[in-house]
Amino acid sequence: ETGVTQTPRHLVMGMTNKKSLKCEQHLGHNAMYWYKQSAKKPLELMFVYNFKEQTENNSVPSRFSPECPNSSHLFLHLHTLQPEDSALYLCASSQDPSGGYEQFFGPGTRLTVL
Amino acid sequence: AQTVTQSQPEMSVQEAETVTLSCTYDTSESDYYLFWYKQPPSRQMILVIRQEAYKQQNATENRFSVNFQKAAKSFSLKISDSQLGDAAMYFCAYRSGDTLAGSYQLTFGKGTKLSVIP
Repeated sequence: ETGVTQTPRHLVMGMTNKKSLKCEQHLGHNAMYWYKQSAKKPLELMFVYNFKEQTENNSVPSRFSPECPNSSHLFLHLHTLQPEDSALYLCASSQDPSGGYEQFFGPGTRLTVL
Repeated sequence: AQTVTQSQPEMSVQEAETVTLSCTYDTSESDYYLFWYKQPPSRQMILVIRQEAYKQQNATENRFSVNFQKAAKSFSLKISDSQLGDAAMYFCAYRSGDTLAGSYQLTFGKGTKLSVIP
């Protein structure tokens, strides 16, 4: 596969469940991102990883826990979520600073919390 | 903090016509990058066009061009000869050029939903 892939594409979970979102980039990039996209709101940056090190955490609740085992993989572990966490979760990657700052996005995981 | 404003939640255009999507931003920086991203329904977000703030010449990519007005902090996207496949959400985004700050954050606007009428 090429580009940025995300699994699963759709996820329905209860508030007491624990699940994980997976992102993989096949572009050789050094930076990876998690965004939350809710209806009628701008994309919200959640986490940034650069060479496996977390460089940004935009005041995200602890029920979201990222993991970056290597430069190609990024996970978002979910536990005890709230209904308002239902959204499209997008993963992106980039080659910074040499890559012109373009971010390449995955197709997203549509999350529904019941 | 930087902010990006897209004042048109929805727009429509007749096929083969031209449409302009507006974007304004607020920043105190002189070095930065601006982007337009396209997100078709149920498909991946892709980059449409990029503009470096230090370049005076407006960026163009085939039917897509921008009108970059640095003093006015305006960055509009013009789509010429609109096609049905142009129907999508369009997001304007800002990125600081300060690499020393170590931040790769993109700040996005709320988006404009473009419909193309056959």
